[in-house]
Amino acid sequence: EVQLVESGGGLVQPGGSLRLSCAASGFTVSSTYMSWVRQPPGKGLEWVSVIYRGGDAYYAGSVKGRFTVSRDTSKNTLYLQMNSLRVEDTAIYYCTRDISDVYSSGWYPYWGQGTLVTVSS
Amino acid sequence: EIVLTQSPATLSLSPGERATLSCRASQIVTSNLAWYQQKPGQAPRLLIYDTSSRATGIPARFSGSGSGTDFTLTISSLEPEDFAVYYCQQSSWITFGQGTRLEIK
Repeated sequence: EVQLVESGGGLVQPGGSLRLSCAASGFTVSSTYMSWVRQPPGKGLEWVSVIYRGGDAYYAGSVKGRFTVSRDTSKNTLYLQMNSLRVEDTAIYYCTRDISDVYSSGWYPYWGQGTLVTVSS
Repeated sequence: EIVLTQSPATLSLSPGERATLSCRASQIVTSNLAWYQQKPGQAPRLLIYDTSSRATGIPARFSGSGSGTDFTLTISSLEPEDFAVYYCQQSSWITFGQGTRLEIK
C-alpha cells in the first residue's frame, strides 16, 4: 500500500529556512515522479515542484531559486528545502506521487496528509 | 501559464440531484484534465484524469467530459458524501482551478 507521511512544518520568520520531509512506503521514491503541492489556509491548490525519476527537478516560478527538491533513496524520503521564506509561502504542503512510473503524467492519486508551514514575524 | 476558471463558485443542490461543474481553460489544453474532490481537513482525492478516466475506486456516478478549453465534471445523482470542494487541474506546467464548493441545499 502506498503511503506518504510529511513532517517538518512549523512557524518560521520571514527570510528563514525550513526543510520538509516526506517518508514514502509501498514504493521507491526514485522509481517514479514525485511532486509538492501547497494550499494556503482556506484557499486553492498550487503546484510547487516535481522531481523526475532521473533526478531532474522543476519549480513553480513563485519558488524557483528559493526551494530545492531532493530525495534520499536509503531513507526512501523526499525533501523540500525552503529558503528565503516569505509570508505568502504560508500553506499546507502536500507530498504527492504521480499515477505513472513511466512518464510524468501530472495526475496525483497519492497524497500525504500535509504539513503546515507558517511564515510570520 | 494556462489559467483554469471554474464555475459556479458555489453550487447548492440536494441529494439525488445531478451536479454539473464547469472548468474553462485560458488556452487549449492538450494534456487533458483532471478533477479532485477535497473535504475539510483532508488531502485532495483524484476522481478523474485524462478528462474522462475514473481513478481507482471512484464510483460510476462521477464522470468527466470535454475537450479544447471547456471541460465538465458530472455527478449523476448526489450522495451525502459528495458535498465538498472540487478542483480541476491541467498537467502541462501544472495549474489548478480555484475550486467549486458543492453544498447541500
